[in-house]
Amino acid sequence: GENVEQHPSTLSVQEGDSAVIKCTYSDSASNYFPWYKQELGKRPQLIIDIRSNVGEKKDQRIAVTLNKTAKHFSLHITETQPEDSAVYFCAASGNEKLTFGTGTRLTIIP
Amino acid sequence: KAGVTQTPRYLIKTRGQQVTLSCSPISGHRSVSWYQQTPGQGLQFLFEYFSETQRNKGNFPGRFSGRQFSNSRSEMNVSTLELGDSALYLCASSLHQGGGGYTFGSGTRLTVV
Repeated sequence: GENVEQHPSTLSVQEGDSAVIKCTYSDSASNYFPWYKQELGKRPQLIIDIRSNVGEKKDQRIAVTLNKTAKHFSLHITETQPEDSAVYFCAASGNEKLTFGTGTRLTIIP
Repeated sequence: KAGVTQTPRYLIKTRGQQVTLSCSPISGHRSVSWYQQTPGQGLQFLFEYFSETQRNKGNFPGRFSGRQFSNSRSEMNVSTLELGDSALYLCASSLHQGGGGYTFGSGTRLTVV
């Protein structure tokens, strides 16, 4: 089955700097890669996703890149703000179940 | 439109008891998936239901079971509860089977004492 690894497990950045979270997946059949943000005590919420026919997708300060050959994808957050502090999960799916990474706790330092 | 609704929000049970959790998906969504979330383990897949049929199952013991009704509402049952079953149980719904466009509920926090 699919295995998703996520790094780093914790990340602290100064407000205004950029943050990058990386994930690798094992199943070459996976074709859908979402990212979820989970604030303390709240539900995971989809923030951006990418399908395998696209190499990069951007939404304001958030971007995701996908390298199918290397089987890795990354989340980039620019101009970080205190409200970006949360746990971020990557996931991968190949038209079956969604397999999640173990999460990255991002802390924005004011 | 209403989001994914999970009931109850909190539950305290004793070892050996059984528990049933409920999930009402977004109207029109036919796929419901269940996940167990524990600190350090992330989101572990339990099972997915689509059109009242279990389509995928994770690596959990047979004490964990589920079902889906004709209105797409789903229930998850855990029998013979163990202390290690304490976790946040999340369900997510989507239009189609297979993980795209998941919307999560707020979860049921189960504590086994």
